[in-house]
Amino acid sequence: AQKITQTQPGMFVQEKEAVTLDCTYDTSDPSYGLFWYKQPSSGEMIFLIYQGSYDQQNATEGRYSLNFQKARKSANLVISASQLGDSAMYFCAMREFGSNFGNEKLTFGTGTRLTIIP
Amino acid sequence: GAVVSQHPSRVICKSGTSVKIECRSLDFQATTMFWYRQFPKKSLMLMATSNEGSKATYEQGVEKDKFLINHASLTLSTLTVTSAHPEDSSFYICSARPRTVSYEQYFGPGTRLTVT
Repeated sequence: AQKITQTQPGMFVQEKEAVTLDCTYDTSDPSYGLFWYKQPSSGEMIFLIYQGSYDQQNATEGRYSLNFQKARKSANLVISASQLGDSAMYFCAMREFGSNFGNEKLTFGTGTRLTIIP
Repeated sequence: GAVVSQHPSRVICKSGTSVKIECRSLDFQATTMFWYRQFPKKSLMLMATSNEGSKATYEQGVEKDKFLINHASLTLSTLTVTSAHPEDSSFYICSARPRTVSYEQYFGPGTRLTVT
């Protein structure tokens, strides 16, 4: 079973509009973390935002916010006031702590290609 | 801060040769480094996790004799693709986790390997 599911392979959004990128996850570990990364065409992975499973409030970082719904196991990324520079691939990832604390790995979703239209 | 470099950024090699990719944390010490592989338009797949001074832990299906990982210091890890073949052509990305941050991984810019 997929641990991280991103159901939107591609999205087109008008500049200045808000956009929501979907991410659902599957884990039985009570302690985990959720990440969003941006990958422009140059290839580097840029960290955007992090949400811990025990965090009470949704994470926010500037124009990025994470809509964390634990019961639904979803961690959607919301980008407000989209800009042309937001065009990129976006990956949702999960880190499970498990029993081997310190060596936790990230599992990535398949990504969503976001294109901002002028 | 928290910059990770990779060298080379691009490499083209002939089939049968070996290629070494370096991953360096420039302004922090990294107890753990990760190596990922990304096929075109695909997600990142973890290959192995390396801790400084110990053997790397490889993911299922990754040949440890083909992808040699050495984490010799707190700022350097190397991935050597031995006897490379065209199917090894891919984008290889490393990440490093600082000692002082519990959850963050900082990614390198990636290395594009083409085996002819």
